[in-house]
Amino acid sequence: NAGVTQTPKFQVLKTGQSMTLQCAQDMNHNSMYWYRQDPGMGLRLIYYSASEGTTDKGEVPNGYNVSRLNKREFSLRLESAAPSQTSVYFCATRVGETEAFFGQGTRLTVV
Amino acid sequence: GENVEQHPSTLSVQEGDSAVIKCTYSDSASNYFPWYKQELGKRPQLIIDIRSNVGEKKDQRIAVTLNKTAKHFSLHITETQPEDSAVYFCAASTSYNTDKLIFGTGTRLQVFP
Repeated sequence: NAGVTQTPKFQVLKTGQSMTLQCAQDMNHNSMYWYRQDPGMGLRLIYYSASEGTTDKGEVPNGYNVSRLNKREFSLRLESAAPSQTSVYFCATRVGETEAFFGQGTRLTVV
Repeated sequence: GENVEQHPSTLSVQEGDSAVIKCTYSDSASNYFPWYKQELGKRPQLIIDIRSNVGEKKDQRIAVTLNKTAKHFSLHITETQPEDSAVYFCAASTSYNTDKLIFGTGTRLQVFP
């Protein structure tokens, strides 16, 4: 079992470019999350999905869109990247109020 | 919405001493409080969690206490070791009408030999 897999692991974008971060889980979990991690700011919730077909905004949703394609996959899209979106992005999954399992992270740099 | 505050942001202790990290939350409906450890360059991993119907939970050298009235919970690490050096995050979630999981801003713990 791979657990939670994120792609890509590293990415450099130019300002204004778009890209999609992919997250897939084989844990049969209902809930999936996207966080960004910046120094001194902790893990801030961007969007989450409590079940297939539903998505909700988190603490910092501006500049992002998400798609819960099916139970396994939850993607995060940056339509027009900005330097302020330079960060490490983590996908996480869990079932109910239990342990959340994280992917290995995507380090994104916007220049 | 839920807001989780975490203190201190950095903590340095001597090997063998105890370390305490404190968090407060704002949503009285929150009922699940996990703690995660993140080593440098790695993903966060759960070390202990507590639910709102329990006041304290222990697992070897780590313990978590919860005060629902004060909306406050703490992580206690005893007999610290150099391998405890990492960033620790608290979090809070509620199953009521949502499945949000909100994290604190993290505490960088350094344990000196």
